[in-house]
Amino acid sequence: DAGVIQSPRHEVTEMGQEVTLRCKPISGHDYLFWYRQTMMRGLELLIYFNNNVPIDDSGMPEDRFSAKMPNASFSTLKIQPSEPRDSAVYFCASSLTPTGGTEAFFGQGTRLTVV
Amino acid sequence: KQEVTQIPAALSVPEGENLVLNCSFTDSAIYNLQWFRQDPGKGLTSLLLIQSSQREQTSGRLNASLDKSSGRSTLYIAASQPGDSATYLCAVISAGGGNKLTFGTGTQLKVEL
Repeated sequence: DAGVIQSPRHEVTEMGQEVTLRCKPISGHDYLFWYRQTMMRGLELLIYFNNNVPIDDSGMPEDRFSAKMPNASFSTLKIQPSEPRDSAVYFCASSLTPTGGTEAFFGQGTRLTVV
Repeated sequence: KQEVTQIPAALSVPEGENLVLNCSFTDSAIYNLQWFRQDPGKGLTSLLLIQSSQREQTSGRLNASLDKSSGRSTLYIAASQPGDSATYLCAVISAGGGNKLTFGTGTQLKVEL
């Protein structure tokens, strides 16, 4: 397996534009997580899915952020409209039964810059 | 609310030295603890996972221990090499916290020639 795949790797956009980040989890993993990493706040969970169903979106900062998982092999994180304070590295991760002692595997991340 | 702290924030050592990175967490009710490595501009690479029932895990030159009752974990790196230079992060999954990883602030390690 190629691991968790994210695209794009880098995104530069103007304030007010819509941004869509994409993630392909490891095949067979039934949990998918979206994290955001900033210098000020470190790594924070935004939302996670189990079997394509959103379970906890309490970390989504505001209504401008939305996430979907239409099938087991694809998820998107959308920001509309984007703002400069959304600039960060966004990571997608996948795993099996997190509480059962299985590792979480992370993608390479998408570095988002909103100017 | 679970809080994870890592000390020191940064560490610089000469090559060949053995070193210990520390991780502490405020709520001892955890399912497991995972250590990650992050290279600049890269994603997170899983190093070791310790389940709550375990005391330690080893992989090559790395050894991670867990003392759940005191809320502490250590990552021991033997015979450090320049290639070990990276940021090391610990993260826990808390009982009652869903399935999310709560991350520490990281220790930035530099191993010098």
